[in-house]
Amino acid sequence: GDQVEQSPSALSLHEGTGSALRCNFTTTMRAVQWFRKNSRGSLINLFYLASGTKENGRLKSAFDSKERYSTLHIRDAQLEDSGTYFCAAFLPGTGSNRLTFGKGTKFSLIP
Amino acid sequence: EAAVTQSPRSKVAVTGGKVTLSCHQTNNHDYMYWYRQDTGHGLRLIHYSYVADSTEKGDIPDGYKASRPSQENFSLILELASLSQTAVYFCASSAGNERLFFGHGTKLSVL
Repeated sequence: GDQVEQSPSALSLHEGTGSALRCNFTTTMRAVQWFRKNSRGSLINLFYLASGTKENGRLKSAFDSKERYSTLHIRDAQLEDSGTYFCAAFLPGTGSNRLTFGKGTKFSLIP
Repeated sequence: EAAVTQSPRSKVAVTGGKVTLSCHQTNNHDYMYWYRQDTGHGLRLIHYSYVADSTEKGDIPDGYKASRPSQENFSLILELASLSQTAVYFCASSAGNERLFFGHGTKLSVL
């Protein structure tokens, strides 16, 4: 089965509201990275976490290696938040820094 | 922000033809990677490299070759392109035990 299970697969929000994306891992991961793929197809780095939480503007992410999950919270959603969000986890003990990706969450703003 | 440049940005190839995707990084990173992304899937690792003149197989290497002629450059080669290789390809680089930085992606269409 998939080592990284991301949910929901799609998310629609009204402007100004918020929600959370979640990734569950089937094994202990040593770090997680969150990306947004924008309308131009570029992957934008959002967060890299080895533990704890990080916040950047209206985005906040948390990673709990022991409980095997990571979350990405979006608050006060805006049009520029649209895109597909991916979490990706670093498997333990892999010196190459190989990432295993979730299948993505397609986010759109409800007009 | 780290700089990873991919070329071309998009390409149309014919079935059975040879395709070379190029990636250049100016970050002095040891590790470089090639991923592909298909609709409804997260990114999947094709090949990676941790030192010049050496490449390693990722999770889906069949049908692809890689070349790392220098620390800065990493190419992905499709000797006989097939319809199933239509996808968006992302190159990335990283230093040891640190986050990955991705290029803007190459959209490949095989007809």
